[in-house]
Parts: sequence; C-alpha cells; structure tokens
Amino acid sequence: DVKVTQSSRYLVKRTGEKVFLECVQDMDHENMFWYRQDPGLGLRLIYFSYDVKMKEKGDIPEGYSVSREKKERFSLILESASTSQTSMYLCATFSYSGAPPYSYNEQFFGPGTRLTVL
Amino acid sequence: AQSVTQLGSHVSVSEGALVLLRCNYSSSVPPYLFWYVQYPNQGLQLLLKYTTGATLVKGINGFEAEFKKSETSFHLTKPSAHMSDAAEYFCAVGSTGANNLFFGTGTRLTVIP
Repeated sequence: DVKVTQSSRYLVKRTGEKVFLECVQDMDHENMFWYRQDPGLGLRLIYFSYDVKMKEKGDIPEGYSVSREKKERFSLILESASTSQTSMYLCATFSYSGAPPYSYNEQFFGPGTRLTVL
Repeated sequence: AQSVTQLGSHVSVSEGALVLLRCNYSSSVPPYLFWYVQYPNQGLQLLLKYTTGATLVKGINGFEAEFKKSETSFHLTKPSAHMSDAAEYFCAVGSTGANNLFFGTGTRLTVIP
C-alpha cells in the first residue's frame, strides 16, 4: 500500500513565522501535490512537482513556496504566515503506470495538517 | 480546461434510504473521473474511479457511479445509507497526460437515524 505521511496533524503558529509542512511518500511516485482545503471551496492546488527539483504553480501559489530535494519528500513553505493561511493542508502523490497511453492512477492522500495561524 | 460541479453542498438522508450525490464535469478530452470520501480530520480516500471500459463503476462500501458521457455526469449512489457513510464526498476529473486532478467543492452527507 502507498503510504503518504505528513509531519504534523495539528500545528499552531504565529503571524509572520516561517512554517514548514513536510510530506513523505514511500512508493517512489514521481508526482507530488500540495492542496489546501477550506469549507465551501473544496481542494485548491497550491503547487505540484513532477520530479526532483521540479515544481509547477497551481491555482493559489501566492504566499507559498515548495522544495523537492529528494523524490520521496515534498515540503510546503509559508515564508511569512498570515491568518488567511489558516487551513487544512493535504499532500498527495500519484504515478503513471504501464505503457503509453498511460493509465491514470488515482492520487493518494496523506492525513492532512490542520494549520492555525494566530 | 477541466472542471467539476457538485450540486448540493449538503445532503441529508435517512438511514436505509438511497444516497445520490451529483457530479457534473467539463472536459475537452476523454475524462478520468474519481469519487473520494473524507471522514472527519482525515485525508481523502478513493471510493471509485472511471478511466475506460465499463461505465458503471463499483467502489468500496457499496457505492457505485455511472459515467454518462451524453450528460457529462458521474453521480454517486448507494442503495441504503448507513450511519458510517456520514462524511464529505469529492468528485474529481483528470485526463491522460495531465499531472493533476480538478476537484469539486465537495458534498457533506448527513445520515439521520
């Protein structure tokens, strides 16, 4: 089974702090994603990475950055946390499988980190 | 471009009643479609998916969904609701070669005893 772990389930930080959210997967998947989830807005993509040191902006990248130094680890960084970044953060992974045309596998999610910024 | 619309942010059913959660998608290419469930304070778990082949897809916990291309729909159903089905449900769409999925805004299902 794919396992996706996130460093914290609950996190409380103060405005202006630098915040690191870590995600680790054990299945050698190429693609990793960071979403934030807010009531009534569903999941919104912040950033994703399709390879080590590669990253692409999602729909709401402002105020965030990411790092992928190793294939299994994808970090989300809040450079200067604000109260508007209070949210649930979800990490996900997936891998293409088989020969072209590739089968689209589902994304596998971590348990989430509920971040509160005071 | 791809998008998903989930009709009804909240749905309430009685225990034992039919569950119907609606999902309509927009896609300019053949879509892959997914339903995920999220229990309180947990991540998302895959219920079922449609990629190719049979349009009626069966998933875990007695759920199923039917891909209807003419209606651009992928509604989720379960014949008889259980209390344990109370959760938030997300529909998502992707496509061949795409790196990411597009999620709907979710439907919170309440099951009334």
